[in-house]
Amino acid sequence: GNSVTQMEGPVTLSEEAFLTINCTYTATGYPSLFWYVQYPGEGLQLLLKATKADDKGSNKGFEATYRKETTSFHLEKGSVQVSDSAVYFCALAGNNRLAFGKGNQVVVIP
Amino acid sequence: GAVVSQHPSWVICKSGTSVKIECRSLDFQATTMFWYRQFPKQSLMLMATSNEGSKATYEQGVEKDKFLINHASLTLSTLTVTSAHPEDSSFYICSAFPFGQLNTEAFFGQGTRLTVV
Repeated sequence: GNSVTQMEGPVTLSEEAFLTINCTYTATGYPSLFWYVQYPGEGLQLLLKATKADDKGSNKGFEATYRKETTSFHLEKGSVQVSDSAVYFCALAGNNRLAFGKGNQVVVIP
Repeated sequence: GAVVSQHPSWVICKSGTSVKIECRSLDFQATTMFWYRQFPKQSLMLMATSNEGSKATYEQGVEKDKFLINHASLTLSTLTVTSAHPEDSSFYICSAFPFGQLNTEAFFGQGTRLTVV
């Protein structure tokens, strides 16, 4: 079945640092890929998406490229802000549902 | 973008009582909605898929008599936690794909924090 794997553990970094969160997937067919962000006490908000191989999703300075050859969709941001502190989930849409990674807590220190 | 409204955003109830959570798609129709449960510092666990006009599909290990799901219209699904106990305390989130757009972007409610005392 479809599955998503995110790198283990929280990510703590200083303001203006470079952020990378790894995401790899297993799926049949050509799924759509997403990054969702969750702020404390809230639901999930779509951050960016890509629907086919080599597509790059981008929003608010975040980017992720759909790499079919490596089955990856890594999230990057060149210069993080304190307001980027949140939990980030990688997700895959297929078989009429979303499969989520475990999520990564990102803490940005001033 | 499309909006999913979840109500209430938080609720405290006594052990043994039932609690109903509503999930509405405000500007689109959704034949399928999803209910998730999230424990602190953990990912979302899919509980069930709510199907308009038919029975919900529950994931393995989720008690269907405990978590009653009703999807009476194309814009409303409800989750009722029956005879709630402290271990049911959690964050519950619903989501929906717009009608005819399964496997595209899903939209999420803001979540409901349930505390059973």
